[in-house]
Parts: sequence; C-alpha cells; structure tokens
Amino acid sequence: DAGVIQSPRHEVTEMGQEVTLRCKPISGHDYLFWYRQTMMRGLELLIYFNNNVPIDDSGMPEDRFSAKMPNASFSTLKIQPSEPRDSAVYFCASSPGTVLNAFFGQGTRLTVV
Amino acid sequence: AQSVSQHNHHVILSEAASLELGCNYSYGGTVNLFWYVQYPGQHLQLLLKYFSGDPLVKGIKGFEAEFIKSKFSFNLRKPSVQWSDTAEYFCAVSVSSNDYKLSFGAGTTVTVRA
Repeated sequence: DAGVIQSPRHEVTEMGQEVTLRCKPISGHDYLFWYRQTMMRGLELLIYFNNNVPIDDSGMPEDRFSAKMPNASFSTLKIQPSEPRDSAVYFCASSPGTVLNAFFGQGTRLTVV
Repeated sequence: AQSVSQHNHHVILSEAASLELGCNYSYGGTVNLFWYVQYPGQHLQLLLKYFSGDPLVKGIKGFEAEFIKSKFSFNLRKPSVQWSDTAEYFCAVSVSSNDYKLSFGAGTTVTVRA
C-alpha cells in the first residue's frame, strides 16, 4: 500500500481564495483524521470521520473550514475564504479501527498570502 | 480534557550522547501513550506506543520509553544518538474510552551534532 496520500504537497494562494486539500486514506482504514500543524499551536485535531461519517468536528476553527468524505477512499478539507492565519501544514491520517494505529500522510503545506 | 506537556522545546547534543525527552500528561484514567518522530520535511512516524503491560516499551531505531503511572509520565530515551536522529519528537495521548482522538504535545526539536 502506498500509505496515506495527500495532495497537493504545497499550495500557495491569495487571501480570499478557496483552497481544497485532498486525502486518500489507506485502503481498509475506517477512521480518517485531519490535523493542522503550526509553530504556535502545534498539532491540532480538526475533524475525524468514522466510516465516512463526521464524528467530531469540534476542532474546526470556524465556519470557513469544512470537510467531507464522500466515500471510503477520499476526503477533502476546504477553506473558503482563506486567510493568512490559515497558513500551516495540514496532515491527514487514517487508522484501521481506532487511533491506536494511525498512519499519517506527508502533509500539505499551505501558504496564504 | 487531557493535555500533554513536553518539557524541552529544543535539545542539542553530540553524537553518541544519551537522550531523554520528558512527557507528562494530565488525565487520571487509563491512557494509551505514543511517541512520534517527524524528520525534516517528512510526515509523522510512530516510534513506539504503550497500551498496557510492561511499562518499559521498546520501539524502532533503538528508542525506548518508560511509563510511570504515579508520575503521569512517559519519557523517551535513547542511549546513544546518531546524527540521523535529528528530528522533532512528539508525545501523544489517547484516552482508552475515547481512543480515536490523539492529543499531541508541543514537540521537542532534537539536533544532533556530528
């Protein structure tokens, strides 16, 4: 298996633009997590899904952020409109049953200018 | 909610030196404990984890960690570091009754000088 695949690896966008981050979890994993990593706040859990259903989105910073998982092999994290303070590395992780075996993707480095 | 504290923000040491990184958590119940490593420009990788049993856990690349329940600690150790151990190290905790969420510490950057 290729592991958790995220795209793009890097994204530079202008403030106000819509940004969509993509994640393909490891096949067979029924949990999917979105994390954000910043210097100031470290690693934060934004949202996680179980069997494609959002379970806890309490970490999503505000309404500009939304996440979907239309099927077991694909998830998106969308920011609309983007702001400079959204600049961070966004990691996707998947797990076969619980977070006890979470595998992380390479991350998307987002820069909003 | 549980929190995870890592005592050192940045550690600098020479090759062959011993390494110990501190990690404390604040939760009184049963926990699962993890150490992840993030090499420069890469994703997080699991070094080791503790669920139950022997409190001394051995992981990959010669790392080990000891769970001391009375101290709410899970310190990471390596007897002799190499230049390739330069990375950021994260301690993480999940609550066993809610073990689909990981809470991470702020991370410790380790720089090993050749």
